[in-house]
Amino acid sequence: QVQLVESGGGVVQPGGSLRLSCAASGFTFRNFGMNWIRQAPGKGLEWVAVLSHDARNEYYADSVKGRFTISRDNSKNTMFLQMNSLSTEDTAVYYCAKAYCNSASCFFDYWGQGTLVTVSS
Amino acid sequence: DIQMTQSPSSVSASVGDRVTITCRASQGIRGWLAWYQQKPGKAPKLLIYAASSLQSGVPSRFSGSGSGTDFTLTISSLQPEDFATYYCQQANSFPYTFGQGTKLEIK
Repeated sequence: QVQLVESGGGVVQPGGSLRLSCAASGFTFRNFGMNWIRQAPGKGLEWVAVLSHDARNEYYADSVKGRFTISRDNSKNTMFLQMNSLSTEDTAVYYCAKAYCNSASCFFDYWGQGTLVTVSS
Repeated sequence: DIQMTQSPSSVSASVGDRVTITCRASQGIRGWLAWYQQKPGKAPKLLIYAASSLQSGVPSRFSGSGSGTDFTLTISSLQPEDFATYYCQQANSFPYTFGQGTKLEIK
């Protein structure tokens, strides 16, 4: 069965950095795009970034562009999110999600359990 | 960016009721819309994709419709496990965006 396990969350000071990981199993990781989606405490969902299956195409939300970098290692079935210049507004549970694509678009068919990132002094 | 607006923000209903949640996009998104269910402390779960396609394993009491800018999620007969928060999401263009959520509560 598909499993996505995030790790790397924790408490970091404003201006600091953190690297999240998402370990995938139960499907052929190298064939699927992957996403990061976050949810601030008590708030709704915010899509953060996507990386294509071959790592050639990546897109970001405006709120993280230039500060966050998504990457993947298909040999290790793992995706990453490098987060720099963190602010309190980045405090959230971060989910990784597998992309399910039809002819023209992609949705999120499997999600991890999330990892909490808290930005606080 | 495409703005997604859900209504209502919250709704109270009873087991067995029929419930409809609507989602409106700020511009046309063809049929590239998904619905997710989220329970407290859990990750969201995909229910409907491409506006009306039922994700594998999701009960048939869930259905979706719409295209362009206006979409609906209908639960035909509420079950106790359906009380949760529901989100729509557009997948027409980046950045992907979600609605603000609709909390479905027990009356």
